[in-house]
Amino acid sequence: DTEVTQTPKHLVMGMTNKKSLKCEQHMGHRAMYWYKQKAKKPPELMFVYSYEKLSINESVPSRFSPECPNSSLLNLHLHALQPEDSALYLCASSQDPYRGNQPQHFGDGTRLSIL
Amino acid sequence: DQQVKQNSPSLSVQEGRISILNCDYTNSMFDYFLWYKKYPAEGPTFLISISSIKDKNEDGRFTVFLNKSAKHLSLHIVPSQPGDSAVYFCAASDDSNAGGTSYGKLTFGQGTILTVHP
Repeated sequence: DTEVTQTPKHLVMGMTNKKSLKCEQHMGHRAMYWYKQKAKKPPELMFVYSYEKLSINESVPSRFSPECPNSSLLNLHLHALQPEDSALYLCASSQDPYRGNQPQHFGDGTRLSIL
Repeated sequence: DQQVKQNSPSLSVQEGRISILNCDYTNSMFDYFLWYKKYPAEGPTFLISISSIKDKNEDGRFTVFLNKSAKHLSLHIVPSQPGDSAVYFCAASDDSNAGGTSYGKLTFGQGTILTVHP
């Protein structure tokens, strides 16, 4: 059982819709991450939150808007997405953003399809 | 520019034998290395890691070896089991600069599909 929970598991949306992906962890981790994974490719980092503050944005288009309301929750707000944004979106967390050598633990992802 | 490479897209092994998955990296700043296993429709599961101050780390059937001079790491699974069949990703990070812009950023290889036959 994964300790990082992502909802929904699947999402189909039109290009004009607004939706949100949610991620929750109760391990007391203070770093949280969003990754995007296309078919047969490795995960690619999108955003990093350290102690609820955005610390890394990998030049992600503004149609993706992350939010970290508290230390356990991470959201990814979606608006005006393009068909090429269809992918598996993975959330991960790690214990302490200022201590190295710590693994990131992943959720099972949200499979997003843009019509 | 692929900084982490897994040159074997797939590997097929008989049950009970050793599986050896390889990974090469080019960024000399990487100092922490991880292996993840991924089943279809699931997220990557952390398997084992190694920091650059070590050359070997063992956890049950899984052993990771690091050769810093060759910028090469490998994952050994002994004995291999059919349930080990999955995609294996190696990943690396530069954790030398706490709070820096690259801190905590994992760079993944392309993955190797391991199939263990009964």
